[in-house]
Amino acid sequence: EVQLVESGGGLIQPGGSLRLSCAASGLTVSSSYMSWVRQAPGKGLEWVSVIYRAGITYYADSVKGRFTISRDNSKNTLHLQMNSLRVDDTAVYYCARRGSMATGTPGQYYYFMDVWGKGTTVTVSS
Amino acid sequence: DIQMTQSPPSLSASVGDRVTITCRASQDVSGYLNWYQQKPGKAPNLLIYAASTLQSGVPSRFSGSGSGTDFTLTIATLQPEDFATYYCQQSYNIPLTFGGGTKVEI
Repeated sequence: EVQLVESGGGLIQPGGSLRLSCAASGLTVSSSYMSWVRQAPGKGLEWVSVIYRAGITYYADSVKGRFTISRDNSKNTLHLQMNSLRVDDTAVYYCARRGSMATGTPGQYYYFMDVWGKGTTVTVSS
Repeated sequence: DIQMTQSPPSLSASVGDRVTITCRASQDVSGYLNWYQQKPGKAPNLLIYAASTLQSGVPSRFSGSGSGTDFTLTIATLQPEDFATYYCQQSYNIPLTFGGGTKVEI
């Protein structure tokens, strides 16, 4: 069974740091495209970051320079290092695998997030 | 960034109703459009990808259509377990962006 399990959330003061983890089973993090998506209380979904198989990373403007996505291949685990946390970073953080399907045009694929963890809650408050 | 606009933000419906949710992209995203269902306290669940392809295990009462900037999610015959919030998401480019959601309630 393919499963993602997030951990590391908690209550942290503004300006603090947290490191989230996403332990994978049934899939290999290093050969997958993995994302973090967050959801503030009562709000919609917001994409945060992605790491490609080749290790290339991208971030939402709202977290760029403060958050770092990485992976530990030996532990088959995805991480999100969050620094300089702000009140508006308060959210449930989900990790998700990006699946793909060929479009029919060589080298082009449709992408979607087909496996999600249950999420871990981060609360930034003084 | 590509803005995704869903309508309506919420709707009231009854079991057995046909429900249609629309999603509009601020620029052409071709067929790079996905739909997710989220129930309270749960992670999102992929329903449809590539605008119209049903994810494995998703009931056939769900369908998607559209291309370019205008997309539709249809639930043919609403079931009790379909009361949830639905999100569209474009995967055309980074940053990935979601619509604001449509809450389907009784």
